[in-house]
Amino acid sequence: NAGVMQNPRHLVRRRGQEARLRCSPMKGHSHVYWYRQLPEEGLKFMVYLQKENIIDESGMPKERFSAEFPKEGPSILRIQQVVRGDSAAYFCASSRLVADTQYFGPGTRLTVL
Amino acid sequence: GQQVMQIPQYQHVQEGEDFTTYCNSSTTLSNIQWYKQRPGGHPVFLIQLVKSGEVKKQKRLTFQFGEAKKNSSLHITATQTTDVGTYFCAGEGAGANSKLTFGKGITLSVRP
Repeated sequence: NAGVMQNPRHLVRRRGQEARLRCSPMKGHSHVYWYRQLPEEGLKFMVYLQKENIIDESGMPKERFSAEFPKEGPSILRIQQVVRGDSAAYFCASSRLVADTQYFGPGTRLTVL
Repeated sequence: GQQVMQIPQYQHVQEGEDFTTYCNSSTTLSNIQWYKQRPGGHPVFLIQLVKSGEVKKQKRLTFQFGEAKKNSSLHITATQTTDVGTYFCAGEGAGANSKLTFGKGITLSVRP
């Protein structure tokens, strides 16, 4: 049973470009969560999605950030017009039920030059 | 909203010493979970506590859920260098459809 998969593992973008981060949850999991972790800091919740629905986006910046979890395919976290402050590790987690144990992917480390 | 607090953020111990850290919630929880993140890695689930006063052990790690279900502790006996990492607690609120709220974590370093 494959774990949560994220790609790419490392992503380098120049200021103003777009970053697309992908997350495939564990088999049988329909709940996906995105977190951001800045260097030397904890996990900051961004968004919680179920298939085709955004359930809670209270941690997502209002501008430039969007997330989706389509019926088919991985969940996507999209950052438009990236800035240096977006440089961080972005972790995706999935769970079978809401508030169940979350299984984390290896993360995507975004560097904005 | 629900807040889960872990203080301090960093702790340094000598190898062989015991280590205890605490997690406090602003509201009553239905359950609490602990995760460990090794340097450069991703958070990995360690354990879940559900019952008031529950105590669970994993080798040298002892986890406890408070009687009021608003706090939890993690105790490591005789720390080893392999214990290095960041330990996060995460609490699920008591209401319906509550999500998991993570604390900021405590980063443990162990001097050999």
